[in-house]
Amino acid sequence: GAGVSQSPSNKVTEKGKDVELRCDPISGHTALYWYRQSLGQGLEFLIYFQGNSAPDKSGLPSDRFSAERTGGSVSTLTIQRTQQEDSAVYLCASRFGPSGANVLTFGAGSRLTVL
Amino acid sequence: AQSVTQPDIHITVSEGASLELRCNYSYGATPYLFWYVQSPGQGLQLLLKYFSGDTLVQGIKGFEAEFKRSQSSFNLRKPSVHWSDAAEYFCAVGAFDTGRRALTFGSGTRLQVQP
Repeated sequence: GAGVSQSPSNKVTEKGKDVELRCDPISGHTALYWYRQSLGQGLEFLIYFQGNSAPDKSGLPSDRFSAERTGGSVSTLTIQRTQQEDSAVYLCASRFGPSGANVLTFGAGSRLTVL
Repeated sequence: AQSVTQPDIHITVSEGASLELRCNYSYGATPYLFWYVQSPGQGLQLLLKYFSGDTLVQGIKGFEAEFKRSQSSFNLRKPSVHWSDAAEYFCAVGAFDTGRRALTFGSGTRLQVQP
């Protein structure tokens, strides 16, 4: 597609439920990031995918968080047994290739509210 | 590993006034430098980038930034701020490293514009 698409744009869930957030990157972009942005905060790195390499999961805050990327394209971020502190905007971004010289394109984000 | 510091968390300026947002980076080689803007409820949008060459780079929406190697800075400027510039601004440094270290964001500066 023309841009990075994320869904849902808004998700309200009850504490303890599982949620899935989807990211559809720009076609041909091999690098994909997930970030979390809590209210009034900066960008917190969660996970990074690059091509067929093993993902860098070093930013995932707990084992309740997981992500996968199927076929090198669409990615899904899953949060199990959600907690109120998981409430945030989850941003996905993609880039052509691994180099930091290439521009990162962001999606509009998925706003998660855990009641 | 590289790092980025945005010393100003929050800045308020009057409409029509000039603006300078500070960004300092730490990196052992010539970095790739970016400024992104995030309007309320939106993802991040690239304002401008520096790779090499002329140290003064022009971006969208009338913004410019100057790379100063001696000061390890990449400050963002605009001569006359418009109310629509109210947003959060993120400086980022890209590197030759692969993986997540290929891009590091600062913590952001929130700009408020007074009428």
